[in-house]
Amino acid sequence: KAGVTQTPRYLIKTRGQQVTLSCSPISGHRSVSWYQQTPGQGLQFLFEYFSETQRNKGNFPGRFSGRQFSNSRSEMNVSTLELGDSALYLCASSLGGLNTEAFFGQGTRLTVV
Amino acid sequence: GEDVEQSLFLSVREGDSSVINCTYTDSSSTYLYWYKQEPGAGLQLLTYIFSNMDMKQDQRLTVLLNKKDKHLSLRIADTQTGDSAIYFCAESMEGNNRLAFGKGNQVVVIP
Repeated sequence: KAGVTQTPRYLIKTRGQQVTLSCSPISGHRSVSWYQQTPGQGLQFLFEYFSETQRNKGNFPGRFSGRQFSNSRSEMNVSTLELGDSALYLCASSLGGLNTEAFFGQGTRLTVV
Repeated sequence: GEDVEQSLFLSVREGDSSVINCTYTDSSSTYLYWYKQEPGAGLQLLTYIFSNMDMKQDQRLTVLLNKKDKHLSLRIADTQTGDSAIYFCAESMEGNNRLAFGKGNQVVVIP
């Protein structure tokens, strides 16, 4: 059974640009959550999608958005990139019931220059 | 609100036991987790414990939960070089998939 797949693995963008990251959950999993990991702030929750609907949202500005498709794949978009958006973005997949085990992908390392 | 704290660094000799500690502030936490992150990798779920349990053992891993003190620990028996990683504790609330993570504890295993 394939794990959680995140693409791309590495990305370099310029300030002001926008970026889209992709996450394919484990087959059969309907919940996808996104987290930002930085040395200063640690791991912070961005949002969770379940059945194409945002079910939970963290404290990030509106520049951070996401969506989920009918096949449960999810994308995360960051517009008007800032230097401080440089981070490892991790996606977690779970079955979808509340409080089920979350399995993480390898992450996308975004560098904003 | 959720606030999870961990100490930062632990060095341990191969074969010894290592203990990583974590405190949390939200008493309504339902599930508490331990994740492992190796360099350049995502997070690997090691084990989790329900808040109505005091202890859980899973092979070399022992989780202890002191709900009164809001203290969680992970003991790794017979620590191996492959256990060198950053360990995160995390909590979630009932009815909520959102995980609140600690800052992580780096474990270095010395051969």
